Amino acid sequence: GENVEQHPSTLSVQEGDSAVIKCTYSDSASNYFPWYKQELGKRPQLIIDIRSNVGEKKDQRIAVTLNKTAKHFSLHITETQPEDSAVYFCAASIVGNQFYFGTGTSLTVIP
Amino acid sequence: GAVVSQHPSWVICKSGTSVKIECRSLDFQATTMFWYRQFPKQSLMLMATSNEGSKATYEQGVEKDKFLINHASLTLSTLTVTSAHPEDSSFYICSASGHYTGELFFGEGSRLTVL
Repeated sequence: GENVEQHPSTLSVQEGDSAVIKCTYSDSASNYFPWYKQELGKRPQLIIDIRSNVGEKKDQRIAVTLNKTAKHFSLHITETQPEDSAVYFCAASIVGNQFYFGTGTSLTVIP
Repeated sequence: GAVVSQHPSWVICKSGTSVKIECRSLDFQATTMFWYRQFPKQSLMLMATSNEGSKATYEQGVEKDKFLINHASLTLSTLTVTSAHPEDSSFYICSASGHYTGELFFGEGSRLTVL
């Protein structure tokens, strides 16, 4: 089955700096890669996603890049704010099938 | 986006009792729902894939008789934790995916505490 690895497990940045979280996956058939933000005790919320036919996607301060050849994708958050502090999960999926999640990154933005 | 509702959000039970958690897709038909378990400060662990009208597919290491899953309609899947024990205490989250878009929508989660 799919194996998704995520790094780093914890990340602290100063407010205004950028944060980068990286994930790798093992199944070349995976074609959908979402990123979720989860606040303590709450459900994960989709923040951005990318499909295998696209190399990069951006939504305001958030961007995701995908390298299919190397089987890795990354989340980039620019101009970080304290409210960005949360746990972020990457996932890999074949559309219509199971989602496999990374181990999560606890992001702390220091005011 | 699509809405997935989960109930109850919090349940406390005595050891040995069974607990049922419901997951509903409110505005779309979900032929497939997924059940995850999450321990504090850890990732989402896929427990099983719930298929409408057929038996659930369980991940390796997940006891089928312990975690009963029923997906009787296109909008409802249930997870029953049978004969619960303290080690079953966890955060259980259901999700459903849009079949054509592939997006995954999560329920609110259910925090189970077994005394």
